[in-house]
Order: sequence, then structure tokens, then C-alpha cells
Amino acid sequence: KAGVTQTPRYLIKTRGQQVTLSCSPISGHRSVSWYQQTPGQGLQFLFEYFSETQRNKGNFPGRFSGRQFSNSRSEMNVSTLELGDSALYLCASSLWGQGAADEQYFGPGTRLTVT
Amino acid sequence: GESVGLHLPTLSVQEGDNSIINCAYSNSASDYFIWYKQESGKGPQFIIDIRSNMDKRQGQRVTVLLNKTVKHLSLQIAATQPGDSAVYFCAENAPYGGSQGNLIFGKGTKLSVKP
Repeated sequence: KAGVTQTPRYLIKTRGQQVTLSCSPISGHRSVSWYQQTPGQGLQFLFEYFSETQRNKGNFPGRFSGRQFSNSRSEMNVSTLELGDSALYLCASSLWGQGAADEQYFGPGTRLTVT
Repeated sequence: GESVGLHLPTLSVQEGDNSIINCAYSNSASDYFIWYKQESGKGPQFIIDIRSNMDKRQGQRVTVLLNKTVKHLSLQIAATQPGDSAVYFCAENAPYGGSQGNLIFGKGTKLSVKP
């Protein structure tokens, strides 16, 4: 079956703009988690969605938000972009989600560069 | 390719040797642990997992050891091959109702295999 897909793969934005990233989970998976990966901080959890509800949230400012649709596809949005938001944004899907000892499958990521 | 960490500890091994990658985890309530492999330009790929009621689990050429007493996890790769060159992350998952409920990733170790 098809893996997790993320679009776009690469994105360049300027400070102050906003951006929307998309993630399509593996068919049948209901949980989607988002992570930010940077050289300095490593992989950091942003939020998890399950059945269209945000179930858990990491320690990121309110400029980072997300949503999940009825088909389990998810989007994350970053408003008022800052240079420090430049990162690889990864999406992972699983059947039941985090906390359920459930294997997560990662997409290839979206590389966001803020100039 | 993309750099996932500028200051990662690096393990350099000769092709055919065994590799051991270590990880210290933080939450004594964590009950599920996963090792991921990340190659340049790709998202993390699941290698092997282990639940807290086990202390050892074997896969194909890989073994994970869990020592809950000292909160330590290790990944052993037998007969390391050039294709094993990547960054390896451990992740812990605390159950819902605990302090986290999401995956917490270690900083990663870069494995370099010399032919």
C-alpha cells in the first residue's frame, strides 16, 4: 500500500508570510502526528490528530496549528514565519496513534526555508 | 543530501563488523520504545520496537536491548553493511495519562560504515 505522502517537498518563504503543509496518511490510519526537525533541536513533536481532533500538542507557539479532515488527511499551518522556522517538517501516521504503542510511519518531509 | 544534525555523535565501523548504538531515555513511565533509521533526504524509517515488559527483541540483523533499571536502550546491528550508513534515533512513548503521551526522540547517532 502507498506510504505517507507530504506536499510540497520543498518550500521557500519570506519572513512574515504563512505556509500550509499537507500530509496524506497511509490508508486506514487515523492518527497523524507532526514533527519539526532541525540540526540544533533534533526531532520535536508538534501535535497529533486523531479522528479530526487534536489529541496532543508539543511545546510550540500558537503560530503553529493544524487540522485533520474526515479522510484523515492533515494540514499544518505556520503563520508569521520566522527565520527559525526553517526546518524539515515530518508527518507520521499510525492506526491508533501515540500512547498506544503503535508503529508510526513517516513521510519524506517538507523542507521549509524561510528567508 | 540534508544534514539532520551538525553535532551528532558518530560511530564509524568497518563493513562486516557489528555495531552497537546506545540511547538513554528520560521517562520511567515510557512503555514503548522504537529505533528509527534516517537516511539523507528521507523521513525516519522504523527498524525495530520493544515494549517495556521485554528486555530483548531480535529482528533481521538487528537486536534491541532494554535496561529499565538505568533507562538505557541499545541497538545492535550484525554484519554492518554500507547501506546501514544513516542517522539512528531512539524514541520513547509514554502512555496517555502519563506526563507525555507522545514520541520523544533522542538526538541521534550517525553510523558511518567503511567498506
